[in-house]
Amino acid sequence: GNSVTQMEGPVTLSEEAFLTINCTYTATGYPSLFWYVQYPGEGLQLLLKATKADDKGSNKGFEATYRKETTSFHLEKGSVQVSDSAVYFCALSDPSNTGKLIFGQGTTLQVKP
Amino acid sequence: DAGVIQSPRHEVTEMGQEVTLRCKLISGHNSLFWYRQTMMRGLELLIYFNNNVPIDDSGMPEDRFSAKMPNASFSTLKIQPSEPRDSAVYFCASSSQGQVGNSPLHFGNGTRLTVT
Repeated sequence: GNSVTQMEGPVTLSEEAFLTINCTYTATGYPSLFWYVQYPGEGLQLLLKATKADDKGSNKGFEATYRKETTSFHLEKGSVQVSDSAVYFCALSDPSNTGKLIFGQGTTLQVKP
Repeated sequence: DAGVIQSPRHEVTEMGQEVTLRCKLISGHNSLFWYRQTMMRGLELLIYFNNNVPIDDSGMPEDRFSAKMPNASFSTLKIQPSEPRDSAVYFCASSSQGQVGNSPLHFGNGTRLTVT
């Protein structure tokens, strides 16, 4: 079946450090891939997405590249800020185009000043 | 655009009581998803609708759970009777699905349910 696996958290970094959150997936067909972010007390917000192999999604300094050969979609940011502290979810779309998303378990990022 | 609106934000109830969670979709969206979030299980899809029709309810944990879309812009998730293990944050999300592709999911801010 279709699934998403993320690196376990929490991830604790100092401000301006480099961030990588690993995400790998298993899917039939050609899903779209997403990163969502959840700030405390809020719902999930779309951070970035990629719809086909080798696409790079980017937003707010974050980026991720859809790697079909390694079935990965790792999230990176060159210099994190305290305001980036949140829970990050990797997700894939149901390849049968129902609109349904399958989420990973989430990775908590804490950035310290 | 007001976004997806959920109510109430917090609900505390006693075991055995009926609980109704409400969700207003973004205008123009035709797909509605109910998710549940817990520390143990993360985000679980409970049920989703397309054009007011339930498409997949395989994630609904038990018959105590039911969801409806009485019209194109509104949905309810009901738990009757509620149990302590139902305590979680319940999210509603909507999107626009079409033949040329789907819009991303837009989430509400959730309802935190505590059953004592």
